[in-house]
Amino acid sequence: DAKTTQPNSMESNEEEPVHLPCNHSTISGTDYIHWYRQLPSQGPEYVIHGLTSNVNNRMASLAIAEDRKSSTLILHRATLRDAAVYYCILRGISSGSARQLTFGSGTQLTVLP
Amino acid sequence: ETGVTQSPTHLIKTRGQQVTLRCSSQSGHNTVSWYQQALGQGPQFIFQYYREEENGRGNFPPRFSGLQFPNYSSELNVNALELDDSALYLCASSLRLRTSVGGETQYFGPGTRLLVL
Repeated sequence: DAKTTQPNSMESNEEEPVHLPCNHSTISGTDYIHWYRQLPSQGPEYVIHGLTSNVNNRMASLAIAEDRKSSTLILHRATLRDAAVYYCILRGISSGSARQLTFGSGTQLTVLP
Repeated sequence: ETGVTQSPTHLIKTRGQQVTLRCSSQSGHNTVSWYQQALGQGPQFIFQYYREEENGRGNFPPRFSGLQFPNYSSELNVNALELDDSALYLCASSLRLRTSVGGETQYFGPGTRLLVL
């Protein structure tokens, strides 16, 4: 199964951009890159996903490297409410997780006021 | 549009007992997945139900079982509870489309916190 690697923790200042990296060097051509986050005492929340092209939504942007072996979740202006564990997840037939989400340890994002 | 709801929010059981957790899917969704999240770890996939049948299972023993009902709500049953079953149990619903392998989004409920003594 294709796996992802993320830093255990990151810090950011409030109202500054945050770039959360994810490495997935064994990704296959049909694997989607998903990002979820989990705020304290809540269930995970969908953030964004993409296949090959960069994606933007109201929450964040997803930048995917040209070789697809890494990606970056971008929060344009971090707020205190963005403090959470961020999970980078691959989904697809070849990754063995076409239907379910396979969570790793994620990145604990701390936002400083 | 109502989100995913779970009941109860908290539960305390003793070792050896049985427990049933419930989940109501988000409106329009036809698939339910269950996850177990131990303290300090990421959620682990238990199983998924689609059209009232189990459709994929993680590394969990048979004493973890489930049901999906015609209205797409779901139950997770755990028999012969063990201390290690203490965890947050998360339900997620999604809309399965034939063409979206890998692209569908799962929407999570707030979870049920189970403590086994």
